[in-house]
Amino acid sequence: EPEVTQTPSHQVTQMGQEVILRCVPISNHLYFYWYRQILGQKVEFLVSFYNNEISEKSEIFDDQFSVERPDGSNFTLKIRSTKLEDSAMYFCASSWPSGGTRNEQFFGPGTRLTVL
Amino acid sequence: QLLEQSPQFLSIQEGENLTVYCNSSSVFSSLQWYRQEPGEGPVLLIALYKAGELTSNGRLTAQFGITRKDSFLNISASIPSDVGIYFCAGRENYGQNFVFGPGTRLSVLP
Repeated sequence: EPEVTQTPSHQVTQMGQEVILRCVPISNHLYFYWYRQILGQKVEFLVSFYNNEISEKSEIFDDQFSVERPDGSNFTLKIRSTKLEDSAMYFCASSWPSGGTRNEQFFGPGTRLTVL
Repeated sequence: QLLEQSPQFLSIQEGENLTVYCNSSSVFSSLQWYRQEPGEGPVLLIALYKAGELTSNGRLTAQFGITRKDSFLNISASIPSDVGIYFCAGRENYGQNFVFGPGTRLSVLP
C-alpha cells in the first residue's frame, strides 16, 4: 500500500542552525502539506502546496519557514535559524484528488526535531 | 476555528463500546477521524463529507452532524490495539487546511 515517507526520523540541531526535513508523498497525489505537533499538544497546520506553489499557510508559517518540491518526488520543509520552540514532531501529508469536496490526507510517520 | 473533543481521556475494558465526540461553533465542509500511536503519524480512519452522513469502517462508525459542526466516532467491541489518541479534524471552507481537535486518549484494559 502506498505511503508517505519522511526523513530523517529524528533531527537534532543547535539553536540558530538551518534544518531541512524531507518527505516523499504518495506518488499520484497532487496536494502536499506540513503539520507540526509540539509534544503532548494537537496537530497544527503549517502549509499546503499545490502546482509548485503554496496554496495556504497558517500564522505559524512565517518567513523562517519555506517549502520546496525540488524534483518529482520530494517535498521539503526548511526551517532557518531554528529556535528552541521549533522543537516538535513535523508531519508531512499528501492528498488526492486536487481540491473539490473530497480531501483525504494521508500522513507520514513524522520527523522529530529537537533544537538544543 | 476551534474543535473540541470529549472525553479527553477514556479508559475502558476490552470488549466494551465507546464513543468520542467532536464539536465546534464553526461549520466544516468535511471532517475526518484519525488515530495516532506514540511516535507515529495520524492514520486516517473515516472521512465524512455530507451533513448527516453515517459511515462505517469495520468496528468503527462515525457520523457528521446535520449542522456540520459536530461528529461522533463509535468503536464497538474494543480490543487492546485500539489504544492511541483519536483526533477529529475539520476542513475549513473547502480549503486545504485541516484544523485538529485536542484528541481523546484511549486506554483499553485487558
